[in-house]
Amino acid sequence: NAGVTQTPKFQVLKTGQSMTLQCAQDMNHNSMYWYRQDPGMGLRLIYYSASEGTTDKGEVPNGYNVSRLNKREFSLRLESAAPSQTSVYFCASSQGENTGELFFGEGSRLTVL
Amino acid sequence: DAKTTQPTSMDCAEGRAANLPCNHSTISGNEYVYWYRQIHSQGPQYIIHGLKNNETNEMASLIITEDRKSSTLILPHATLRDTAVYYCIVRVYGNNRLAFGKGNQVVVIP
Repeated sequence: NAGVTQTPKFQVLKTGQSMTLQCAQDMNHNSMYWYRQDPGMGLRLIYYSASEGTTDKGEVPNGYNVSRLNKREFSLRLESAAPSQTSVYFCASSQGENTGELFFGEGSRLTVL
Repeated sequence: DAKTTQPTSMDCAEGRAANLPCNHSTISGNEYVYWYRQIHSQGPQYIIHGLKNNETNEMASLIITEDRKSSTLILPHATLRDTAVYYCIVRVYGNNRLAFGKGNQVVVIP
């Protein structure tokens, strides 16, 4: 099983460019999440989707948009990238909101110049 | 959710039990204690969770004090592959907006 797959794994952008981070899970999970992790810091929640068709803001949503395309896929879009968005982005999924066991992808490392 | 306090870092001897402490003195009755770890550059990995009782699985044991104000994650026989950042998280049932603090950088030394 692939689990949670993120693409791309690495990306370099210039300030003002846009891009979408893709995430897919093959565990038939209902809930999906996007986190960011800055050097020496813990993970901070950007957006989450409790179930297909719903999305909600997390702790640091500014500058991002998300789309829950279907049950498997949850994408994160940066419309106009800024250097402050340089980070490692992690996607995660869980069976639902009643379980705190999240399964994480390997991360996408984004650098904005 | 209640805040947690962990050491910033600690070393453990390979082959010995590693005891990782966590304080959560403001925990509420409906909040669970969860442990995750993050091996360098990888996504976090769930380890174990508990409410009141001690818990054990193939990875670790979780000991929660009777007043629930602190807990200890025990890695029974630490290996070099257990070197990671360990996160202690308090979670309300039904809320998966997990708050990962800075965690405890655990280094297993040969």
